[in-house]
Amino acid sequence: EDQVTQSPEALRLQEGESSSLNCSYTVSGLRGLFWYRQDPGKGPEFLFTLYSAGEEKEKERLKATLTKKESFLHITAPKPEDSATYLCAVAGGTSYGKLTFGQGTILTVHP
Amino acid sequence: DAGVIQSPRHEVTEMGQEVTLRCKPISGHDYLFWYRQTMMRGLELLIYFNNNVPIDDSGMPEDRFSAKMPNASFSTLKIQPSEPRDSAVYFCASSLSPLDSPLHFGNGTRLTVT
Repeated sequence: EDQVTQSPEALRLQEGESSSLNCSYTVSGLRGLFWYRQDPGKGPEFLFTLYSAGEEKEKERLKATLTKKESFLHITAPKPEDSATYLCAVAGGTSYGKLTFGQGTILTVHP
Repeated sequence: DAGVIQSPRHEVTEMGQEVTLRCKPISGHDYLFWYRQTMMRGLELLIYFNNNVPIDDSGMPEDRFSAKMPNASFSTLKIQPSEPRDSAVYFCASSLSPLDSPLHFGNGTRLTVT
């Protein structure tokens, strides 16, 4: 069974204070690792897909990286509008369309 | 593109009543997913369809839950009879291809069963 563990559960940062979120995963045959952002009262919104160890993707202040056991979401000089819950998900080899999500990290950025 | 549309946004019902949640996926998306989100268990996949055919329903909690997709532009998730433990936010999502393109989520239906 695919498993995803995210840490920390919650992270409070000052505006401009860079940090990283962690996503550890156990999967049989990784097909893809996904990062989503979720704002209160909304559905998750896609950020990145990573397919193989060593891959990196960037978007504005966010950078996602992938190793064989975990992924990191690096946030550089965050702004209050980056406050949200960040979700990590994996797709394993046993079920083509099934994503297994982690519990998420609640990020709060104070001005 | 209006995105994935779910209705109702909020549903409050009494234990034992039937509940029907509705979803209109993005036009042209071949995959449709129903997820449930709770504080305790996070986001869980209930069932997904490809070209209107159910592919994996292993996440459906029990026989009280059923899902249908009569055509490419409409899906329902029904709970009968409802129980307080069914209280959660239910999300519908659609995608062109789950691995190669993003899942687009609706804004969810918040279900409260009293």
